[in-house]
Amino acid sequence: AQSVTQLGSHVSVSEGALVLLRCNYSSSVPPYLFWYVQYPNQGLQLLLKYTTGATLVKGINGFEAEFKKSETSFHLTKPSAHMSDAAEYFCAVSDFPGGYGNKLVFGAGTILRVKS
Amino acid sequence: KAGVTQTPRYLIKTRGQQVTLSCSPISGHRSVSWYQQTPGQGLQFLFEYFSETQRNKGNFPGRFSGRQFSNSRSEMNVSTLELGDSALYLCASSLSQGLPGNTIYFGEGSWLTVV
Repeated sequence: AQSVTQLGSHVSVSEGALVLLRCNYSSSVPPYLFWYVQYPNQGLQLLLKYTTGATLVKGINGFEAEFKKSETSFHLTKPSAHMSDAAEYFCAVSDFPGGYGNKLVFGAGTILRVKS
Repeated sequence: KAGVTQTPRYLIKTRGQQVTLSCSPISGHRSVSWYQQTPGQGLQFLFEYFSETQRNKGNFPGRFSGRQFSNSRSEMNVSTLELGDSALYLCASSLSQGLPGNTIYFGEGSWLTVV
């Protein structure tokens, strides 16, 4: 079964500093990986996804993630944090029993705090 | 283009009651999934519907059920509510079911409090 581990339930950075949110996955098949962001009292918004092809994926709001098969990682980065980036971030992997479907398995989430 | 719409946004129910939550997917999307989000268990998959048929199911008791209508709108029902059912229930829609890498769009969620 697919699973996701997010290292660090809380990450704190200063405004303008690098954001690095860690995600490791376990998958018995080539993984499809996602990063979502959740602002307080809202649903999930897709930041980016990796399916196949280029291992460096660019998303919205200046975020990007790199798929590293050898490390089973899909870490999320942003060169310069902004106050508006403060939110909870979820890494997810597709789990498709039977070879099809849209089920996602989520990590526990990382709350990003941005200090001024 | 309207996003995934969930109603109601907030509701309070008493233990033992039942509740029905509604979800309208993005126009043209035929796959609808439901997730439960709690502080203790995080985001957990409930079930997925495609063309009015349940295609995948998570590890939840039979008190949790759902259905999908011919217009792709979906409802989920929780019977005999327990305090532990208090959660944010998220609906997600996707264009099709065939490709596991489909983009999945989430609604704002329905906040259920059981007292």
